[in-house]
Amino acid sequence: GAVVSQHPSRVICKSGTSVKIECRSLDFQATTMFWYRQFPKKSLMLMATSNEGSKATYEQGVEKDKFLINHASLTLSTLTVTSAHPEDSSFYICSASYREVTGELFFGEGSRLTVL
Amino acid sequence: EDKVVQSPLSLVVHEGDTVTLNCSYEVTNFRSLLWYKQEKKAPTFLFMLTSSGIEKKSGRLSSILDKKELFSILNITATQTGDSAIYLCAVDSNSGYALNFGKGTSLLVTP
Repeated sequence: GAVVSQHPSRVICKSGTSVKIECRSLDFQATTMFWYRQFPKKSLMLMATSNEGSKATYEQGVEKDKFLINHASLTLSTLTVTSAHPEDSSFYICSASYREVTGELFFGEGSRLTVL
Repeated sequence: EDKVVQSPLSLVVHEGDTVTLNCSYEVTNFRSLLWYKQEKKAPTFLFMLTSSGIEKKSGRLSSILDKKELFSILNITATQTGDSAIYLCAVDSNSGYALNFGKGTSLLVTP
């Protein structure tokens, strides 16, 4: 199956700093990637849809100025958590699909963010 | 509004038991239903179902879709402690690229 790589897998930062998480599709081109957030023992919550070459589409309730998404190329999307607060601590997962083949999504390994 | 509902939300069984997880949905322009298993990290793909009545099977896991009644079940037979995980159901509604996830069923298999 297709491989999606996410980096870093764990990050600890201080309140007020910014953190960037990368999501790469390693063996296919992903015109669309998705960013999810997951709280402990909860399901995935879609944060935004990242489209290559255009602005991301954010879900209701997600602050676009706080969670900056950049889809710079067909294989890379980045999520930047700006001015991080402890309540931003969570598990962030990206996914991508080559929709022409299947509706299956391929997930990155996830990034656990802890804001002190 | 599209909706995916999983039940039960949590389940505790003994090794060797058989479990059935449920997923019902209400979406426009249904395309497929997918099951994922999530342990410590990102979900791993189990099944994708697009047609009613055709069982998909992988080892002790099997799943089937009923597009008339709008639900799917995931069966796990002869459960093992390694089956302990959150099982996520998601629907691809073709109204966008993102999947619509249910809240998941947390399964714990005790020795």
